[in-house]
Amino acid sequence: KQEVTQIPAALSVPEGENLVLNCSFTDSAIYNLQWFRQDPGKGLTSLLLIQSSQREQTSGRLNASLDKSSGRSTLYIAASQPGDSATYLCAVIHGSYKLIFGSGTRLLVRP
Amino acid sequence: GAGVSQTPSNKVTEKGKYVELRCDPISGHTALYWYRQSLGQGPEFLIYFQGTGAADDSGLPNDRFFAVRPEGSVSTLKIQRTERGDSAVYLCASRSGLAGPGGDTQYFGPGTRLTVL
Repeated sequence: KQEVTQIPAALSVPEGENLVLNCSFTDSAIYNLQWFRQDPGKGLTSLLLIQSSQREQTSGRLNASLDKSSGRSTLYIAASQPGDSATYLCAVIHGSYKLIFGSGTRLLVRP
Repeated sequence: GAGVSQTPSNKVTEKGKYVELRCDPISGHTALYWYRQSLGQGPEFLIYFQGTGAADDSGLPNDRFFAVRPEGSVSTLKIQRTERGDSAVYLCASRSGLAGPGGDTQYFGPGTRLTVL
């Protein structure tokens, strides 16, 4: 059974810091991996999708990497801003394209 | 439509009652998913529709939960004899199903917060 773990569970950093969020999964037979952002009381916003054949994807200040063989992905956020404060969720995509999520990392960027 | 919409945004019901939650996917998206999110956890998969049929319902917790998508667009999640443990945010997502990476991305609605008293 696929299990997805995100470390740390919570993170507080001062504005301007670069930071890394970690995601690990137990079964490397995945189609893709997707990173989401969730604001309190809101739905999920897709940030980046990495296909299984890719090693990384970039969008603005965000960079996500994928190492299938070791079952790991990282989300790198450069020059963090208070507006980046949210919960970041990692999900792997299996058959039926259903998403299996980690519990998320709650990020607080302090002004 | 512009995005996935869900109604109602909040639903409070009493233990033992029946509830229906509605999802309107992005127009033209063939794939539709239901997830359930408990406080402090990531969403958990419930059911997946491809067109009108439930292609994967392995995440439904028991037979009190049922979902339909009769015309391949709007979907309704139905919960019978609700229990306090059913309290959660129910999220719906849709995916275009087109070939290529753009077809893999799931787009989520804002969710329905269900509270069972």
